[in-house]
Amino acid sequence: SQLAEENLWALSVHEGESVTVNCSYKTSITALQWYRQKSGEGPAQLILIRSNEREKRNGRLRATLDTSSQSSSLSITATRCEDTAVYFCATGGYKVVFGSGTRLLVSP
Amino acid sequence: EAAVTQSPRSKVAVTGGKVTLSCHQTNNHDYMYWYRQDTGHGLRLIHYSYVADSTEKGDIPDGYKASRPSQENFSLILELASLSQTAVYFCASSGQGGGAETLYFGSGTRLTVL
Repeated sequence: SQLAEENLWALSVHEGESVTVNCSYKTSITALQWYRQKSGEGPAQLILIRSNEREKRNGRLRATLDTSSQSSSLSITATRCEDTAVYFCATGGYKVVFGSGTRLLVSP
Repeated sequence: EAAVTQSPRSKVAVTGGKVTLSCHQTNNHDYMYWYRQDTGHGLRLIHYSYVADSTEKGDIPDGYKASRPSQENFSLILELASLSQTAVYFCASSGQGGGAETLYFGSGTRLTVL
């Protein structure tokens, strides 16, 4: 079983709407990372949130971390078509382990 | 800008043949990784390395070898390619190991084994 896992396989929204992707993890962590992978590209980190942080922002992106429930969320506001991608949470000890990803489709 | 370059971008191999995937980074990073991506499985770690001339097994090392001849270069070797190794392979680098380090990925190599 995965160390970290997103809770939905896929999501679909219209441009301008907000969307949240959730992730749960199974062990104590020093940090949790969110990555985005667009079609034909390698993953790129969006946000790294450390275990002593509850929230972190990066432009239209907002990540939260709840260590008591071992969960994290990534929210995107005012979505755009170019936000269409697969979103991964990732964490680990001496190596980074990725979840299976949530596929987000943003349509016009 | 961190840079990880993979070659080739795509490759078709025959079952039982030898395949070498190459990765070069200009980030001056100590850690390098090889991940495999299949639909529905996200990214799975095959091998990683934290110093030249040394490699470590990841979560799915069977059927793969790795080589780190220098800090900048990390290769993934399939001695006897099999149909089940058809996948997209990603190389990544990071300054240090662990879950609190940002990974910088290459663009991937799409491998098809026939």
